[in-house]
Amino acid sequence: NAGVTQTPKFQVLKTGQSMTLQCAQDMNHEYMSWYRQDPGMGLRLIHYSVGAGITDQGEVPNGYNVSRSTTEDFPLRLLSAAPSQTSVYFCASSPQGYGYTFGSGTRLTVV
Amino acid sequence: AQTVTQSQPEMSVQEAETVTLSCTYDTSENNYYLFWYKQPPSRQMILVIRQEAYKQQNATENRFSVNFQKAAKSFSLKISDSQLGDTAMYFCAFMKGPGGKLIFGQGTELSVKP
Repeated sequence: NAGVTQTPKFQVLKTGQSMTLQCAQDMNHEYMSWYRQDPGMGLRLIHYSVGAGITDQGEVPNGYNVSRSTTEDFPLRLLSAAPSQTSVYFCASSPQGYGYTFGSGTRLTVV
Repeated sequence: AQTVTQSQPEMSVQEAETVTLSCTYDTSENNYYLFWYKQPPSRQMILVIRQEAYKQQNATENRFSVNFQKAAKSFSLKISDSQLGDTAMYFCAFMKGPGGKLIFGQGTELSVKP
């Protein structure tokens, strides 16, 4: 099992560019989430999904879109990148009643 | 909304000693789960231990154990026989119900010194 796979691992964007962070899991988990991690602020939830076709906002959803067309994939789209979106992004998945398994993260820099 | 508070930004412990990391949370829910995650310098998030709120018995995983005080809304992590590899950031997290959103505290940076 590959677990939770995030691509790319590193990305530099210019202000105003758009991009998609990819996330895939091969464990047939129902629940998937995207987090961002900034120094001194822990992990903050961006978007969340309870299954294919169902998504919900987290604490910091502005500037990000998600969709969940399959159980396996949960891409995160940055619509128009801003320097405030410079962060480390984590995708995670979970079966019901258990803890989340995390991907290895994407370090995004917006210049 | 649920909140998770870790009041110790940094801690240090000598190798082979015991250390306790504190966590409090605020919720009106009855059915929830609590977790401790470890994030070493590699940045990978690793699940350390899990507690179901309806279980009174404290969870243990090898050298890691928790003290779950439901009425006080407290969930501390005890690491026994600390090892150099335990050096990491530790996050306490709360999840409402079996498939809810996972909410994190701000973390405690633990250094294990030789």
